[in-house]
Amino acid sequence: DIQMTQSPSTLSASVGDRVTITCRASQSINSWLAWYQQKPGKAPKLLIYKASNLESGVPSRFSGSGSGTEFTLTISSLQPDDFATYYCQQYNSYLTFGQGTKVEIK
Amino acid sequence: EVQLVESGGGLIQPGGSLRLSCAASGFSVSSNYMTWVRQAPGKGLEWVATIHTGGSRDYADSVKGRLTISRDNAKNTLHVEMNSLRAEDTAVYYCARVPYSSSWSPGMGVWGQGSTVTVSS
Repeated sequence: DIQMTQSPSTLSASVGDRVTITCRASQSINSWLAWYQQKPGKAPKLLIYKASNLESGVPSRFSGSGSGTEFTLTISSLQPDDFATYYCQQYNSYLTFGQGTKVEIK
Repeated sequence: EVQLVESGGGLIQPGGSLRLSCAASGFSVSSNYMTWVRQAPGKGLEWVATIHTGGSRDYADSVKGRLTISRDNAKNTLHVEMNSLRAEDTAVYYCARVPYSSSWSPGMGVWGQGSTVTVSS
């Protein structure tokens, strides 16, 4: 089974900050990686698919990069609506989610 | 409008069974990979099962043998049936169309609102 490890688990940041979240796979997943945003009590929302492709309607301040085993999600300028938990998900072999990164207000 | 609406859920005794349903609108469940994901209270997301367009099914090891994913093409509805329920199956269960194969296009992402399943005596 492919394991996904996100870091950090919690990130404290301010509005306007550039934020980067890392996701590592236990083996190569090529570019079969998605990123989600989840707010309390709500279903996750897809942000990025195939490592770097922006889902429709997602603001351009979100971007993804990486391939193989190491991936990043970057928010170029953190907005008040971006405080949430973020998950990576591999789909190279079945599905596996990372454990999540909570972005909180500093 | 593309939408998934879930029904079912509730309080179930350990060892019991449950069926969740997920009605799709705006697209066909039979033409898409459809997935169930669950989230235990205060925890992260866990993949549960996926049904392929061709009808084959994939299951997480944690539910294999106890859970069956299916679809009703005529009613455009996804189902999941679980038996031998345990306390650790307590979670919000989401049906979703998520990336699962190389065939993904922008705007395809859609999730249900979630159904709460509580396994307790």
